[in-house]
Amino acid sequence: KQEVTQIPAALSVPEGENLVLNCSFTDSAIYNLQWFRQDPGKGLTSLLLIQSSQREQTSGRLNASLDKSSGRSTLYIAASQPGDSATYLCASTSGTYKYIFGTGTRLKVLA
Amino acid sequence: DAGVTQSPTHLIKTRGQQVTLRCSPKSGHDTVSWYQQALGQGPQFIFQYYEEEERQRGNFPDRFSGHQFPNYSSELNVNALLLGDSALYLCASSPGGVETQYFGPGTRLLVL
Repeated sequence: KQEVTQIPAALSVPEGENLVLNCSFTDSAIYNLQWFRQDPGKGLTSLLLIQSSQREQTSGRLNASLDKSSGRSTLYIAASQPGDSATYLCASTSGTYKYIFGTGTRLKVLA
Repeated sequence: DAGVTQSPTHLIKTRGQQVTLRCSPKSGHDTVSWYQQALGQGPQFIFQYYEEEERQRGNFPDRFSGHQFPNYSSELNVNALLLGDSALYLCASSPGGVETQYFGPGTRLLVL
């Protein structure tokens, strides 16, 4: 049974800092690994999707990597801004048509 | 092209009542999944509908039921509401057979 864990649960950093969010999964037979952003009380915004054959994906200041052998994915945010403050969720799919989510990392970027 | 839409946006019910939440998938998508997100938690998979049938179900009691209509829209019904059913309910759609899902804005349910 796939389990997804995110560390840290919360993070507070000063503006401009580069930061890394971590996501671990127990079953390496994943199909996709996706990172989402969620603002308080809102739905999910997809940030990056990495397919199992890929090692990383980039979009602007965001870079996500995937290492299936170690069961890890990281989301790198460069030059963080107060507008990046949100909860970041990772989710895996394993060919069963359902997403398994982590509990998220609450990020606060201080101006 | 409208994305996934959900209604209502917010809902308040009392214990024991029944509730129906609605979802319209993204254009061209025929598969709808429902997730429950309790406060401070990640979303949990409830079930998925494809071709008007429940294709897969997560670890939720029978009080949670659903339906998919011929136009691919879907409803989530919850009977005998409990306080613990208070959560954000997310709908996601995808083209059949594709893993990637697109999420709607959610319906926030408060049970008093």
